[in-house]
Amino acid sequence: QSALTQPASVSGSPGQSIAISCTGTSSDVGGYNYVSWYQHHPGKAPKLMIYDVSNRPSGVSDRFSGSKSGNTASLTISGLQAEDEADYYCNSYRDSSPPLYVFGTGTKVTVL
Amino acid sequence: EVQLVESGGNLVQPGGSLRLSCAASGFTFSSYWMNWVRQAPGKGLEWVANIKQDASAKYYVDSVKGRFTISRDNAKNSLYLQMNSLSAEDTAVYYCARDTSSTGGLDCWGQGTLVTVSS
Repeated sequence: QSALTQPASVSGSPGQSIAISCTGTSSDVGGYNYVSWYQHHPGKAPKLMIYDVSNRPSGVSDRFSGSKSGNTASLTISGLQAEDEADYYCNSYRDSSPPLYVFGTGTKVTVL
Repeated sequence: EVQLVESGGNLVQPGGSLRLSCAASGFTFSSYWMNWVRQAPGKGLEWVANIKQDASAKYYVDSVKGRFTISRDNAKNSLYLQMNSLSAEDTAVYYCARDTSSTGGLDCWGQGTLVTVSS
């Protein structure tokens, strides 16, 4: 199964806002509001940042927000901080036979 | 405290088998879909399989179908992954994860267990 498409890297200065895109198809991102986003620091467990496109779990900073337009979902990080430097992955339900979940290719966020 | 602890990772020869376990605590295990996710060295995250609360539904990524079996024991608050016919491509850190929303929002993850397939 093919992965969702993310940019390999995104960078920004402290305090800036950045957006990470996640492009799929009408069978996954575009067809369902079941997109989630994860922050992953090497050697640690991934952390859920956004689920169901735009819902933020308790304890996650409101600097993180999610949205979707057509077949592309986006994660926006506002007020970029040094600790935001990590790998970020999107994930979506895919309506296939049988149904499954698929991750994006991953984006390395660098804080300049 | 909500916690997931994986175990069972090891070095195994190609063609061999391994059984991973994931012990859950701090929440009602039987109320959640559970998942296995892996990350191969230098690669991204890959969803492997998931299982419904009562084990009545199980789904797998194509690359492991017919070789891996996901199961759970709600009485023991445990999740399992039986892996057979292992190949080098299965070398990865394997994570178990709880689906908080039943729609793929994985809100609790274990620390991972390393599976290395090599002769």
